[in-house]
Amino acid sequence: GQNIDQPTEMTATEGAIVQINCTYQTSGFNGLFWYQQHAGEAPTFLSYNVLDGLEEKGRFSSFLSRSKGYSYLLLKELQMKDSASYLCAVMDSNYQLIWGAGTKLIIKP
Amino acid sequence: EADIYQTPRYLVIGTGKKITLECSQTMGHDKMYWYQQDPGMELHLIHYSYGVNSTEKGDLSSESTVSRIRTEHFPLTLESARPSHTSQYLCASSESGRETGELFFGEGSRLTVL
Repeated sequence: GQNIDQPTEMTATEGAIVQINCTYQTSGFNGLFWYQQHAGEAPTFLSYNVLDGLEEKGRFSSFLSRSKGYSYLLLKELQMKDSASYLCAVMDSNYQLIWGAGTKLIIKP
Repeated sequence: EADIYQTPRYLVIGTGKKITLECSQTMGHDKMYWYQQDPGMELHLIHYSYGVNSTEKGDLSSESTVSRIRTEHFPLTLESARPSHTSQYLCASSESGRETGELFFGEGSRLTVL
């Protein structure tokens, strides 16, 4: 079967750095996506990785290792507004997105 | 900014009722999707469409139907609602191209079936 694993919940301090991990086992791979979802709201796209390595976009960076089936989302200079769930999704060989259950990130002052 | 709209935002209905959740987008996207999401759980694909007159079932499509008569409109219908249908329903769209995984989501329709 196909599955995406990510921690259920993480806590970090305002101003700090946090890394959210995602491991996946899918039938084929056509890219990995990270989405942010604030409570009660719809998910919004954050990043896309299809090749190994690090993609940086402002305070957020996403890393991919296809050989290890592993990705992480790195959030720097954490702000209170970063409190949200972060969803990892992989596009499989049929170009369908397989979603993880999300990691709820709690930011403390 | 995404332009995709869902109505109703909240709905409480009794068992056995027929309901239609509306979804419209003004971005001209060919691909549209319906997802179901329970708190703390992953998104489950219910139905999707690659264009007008194209509809496909996802992994959670039983007891619901969709139609795609116009590019911008992708309604979801439950013929006979049950308490197990209580959930958040998210509509999304994306541009054409098989590799496109950047989805634009509507704000969701939260359904409660009593």
